[in-house]
Amino acid sequence: DSGVTQTPKHLITATGQRVTLRCSPRSGDLSVYWYQQSLDQGLQFLIQYYNGEERAKGNILERFSAQQFPDLHSELNLSSLELGDSALYFCASSSHPDQPQHFGDGTRLSIL
Amino acid sequence: AQSVTQLDSHVSVSEGTPVLLRCNYSSSYSPSLFWYVQHPNKGLQLLLKYTSAATLVKGINGFEAEFKKSETSFHLTKPSAHMSDAAEYFCVVTRNSGNTPLVFGKGTRLSVIA
Repeated sequence: DSGVTQTPKHLITATGQRVTLRCSPRSGDLSVYWYQQSLDQGLQFLIQYYNGEERAKGNILERFSAQQFPDLHSELNLSSLELGDSALYFCASSSHPDQPQHFGDGTRLSIL
Repeated sequence: AQSVTQLDSHVSVSEGTPVLLRCNYSSSYSPSLFWYVQHPNKGLQLLLKYTSAATLVKGINGFEAEFKKSETSFHLTKPSAHMSDAAEYFCVVTRNSGNTPLVFGKGTRLSVIA
């Protein structure tokens, strides 16, 4: 058990919809990262927050947004969903950006 | 810029035989390198990390990796495979200092045959 909790585990929705994925980092970790894992693109970094502030951005679409709240949990919002957004979305956390990241079990998003 | 190439998409070994998963990296900076393992329907678990200390790094579950700067390689090895080692393995590179994202290889699927 990594200590990183992601909810829900599975999400099935339709094109055009909006969903919110939630992540609770390990106790004491200030950094939260979001990744997308798909068959064609592999594992890609989306965005990072550190203590509530955005620190780095990767290949995140404009339809996607995220935030980290004062209690350090984070949410990833995906809107105007397309079939190609179907993927596993992982959250990871670390105590500091220079420290190894610990991953949650992911949210599997299926777009019908 | 940084990149990782995992040279084999699939490796199959017999239980009790050695495991070798190959990884080459490219980095404009002094790199930190990691190996992560992903079991089916699970998140990624850190096996080991190299961050510019000893070049031979020991990880969990009997795995180790050697950083070879001259060959830009960071291959993962284990002397004797167990059935429970069957999983997807990812080699990862990032900058040794500073806040830069992880860059993942495409993964190597390890199968262990009884």
